[in-house]
Amino acid sequence: SAVISQKPSRDICQRGTSLTIQCQVDSQVTMMFWYRQQPGQSLTLIATANQGSEATYESGFVIDKFPISRPNLTFSTLTVSNMSPEDSSIYLCSVDGGVRTGELFFGEGSRLTVL
Amino acid sequence: LAKTTQPISMDSYEGQEVNITCSHNNIATNDYITWYQQFPSQGPRFIIQGYKTKVTNEVASLFIPADRKSSTLSLPRVSLSDTAVYYCLVGVNSGGYQKVTFGTGTKLQVIP
Repeated sequence: SAVISQKPSRDICQRGTSLTIQCQVDSQVTMMFWYRQQPGQSLTLIATANQGSEATYESGFVIDKFPISRPNLTFSTLTVSNMSPEDSSIYLCSVDGGVRTGELFFGEGSRLTVL
Repeated sequence: LAKTTQPISMDSYEGQEVNITCSHNNIATNDYITWYQQFPSQGPRFIIQGYKTKVTNEVASLFIPADRKSSTLSLPRVSLSDTAVYYCLVGVNSGGYQKVTFGTGTKLQVIP
């Protein structure tokens, strides 16, 4: 199994500012995924981060708004840029590192509130 | 990616068996079916995964008919701690990398 730590666990931010969320994994993994979960909603994949290459973004998400770094096999960051109240969500980091085929492990999430 | 459809919510009394069915009519040949559980303020947690027929582990059973267009998660004798949102996912596994889409999920409320 993989243990994932996210920082911050929660934050309150002002409109127009940017916040960087960190994701640390206790083992080396190839792929890391960033999800957004809006209040009362399901999870939506933002992007896939492969070490050593540019992140791949899903439809509706762009690099300028959600820049991602993946400097090594155990760490990634997601920045939420120029935040608005609509960005208030839980942001989750995930890795595909299970022994089982395709099992995903998730962090506890970072709950952002934008005022 | 195959879309999934599952009931928005379900209620069950403690001690009962709960069956949550998920529809995935457009499932592809290479797709696996996976179920996750999510408690409030936590990330989703893997429950069970299958490709066809029946899979059972210490937590649940997963029933998949021959046409694989649906699947049923079975939770035996639920307790209050099983109150959570349950997600059915289908996705392609390729060398350990699985890109999946989360559906709406089923909010299970276990009643004393």
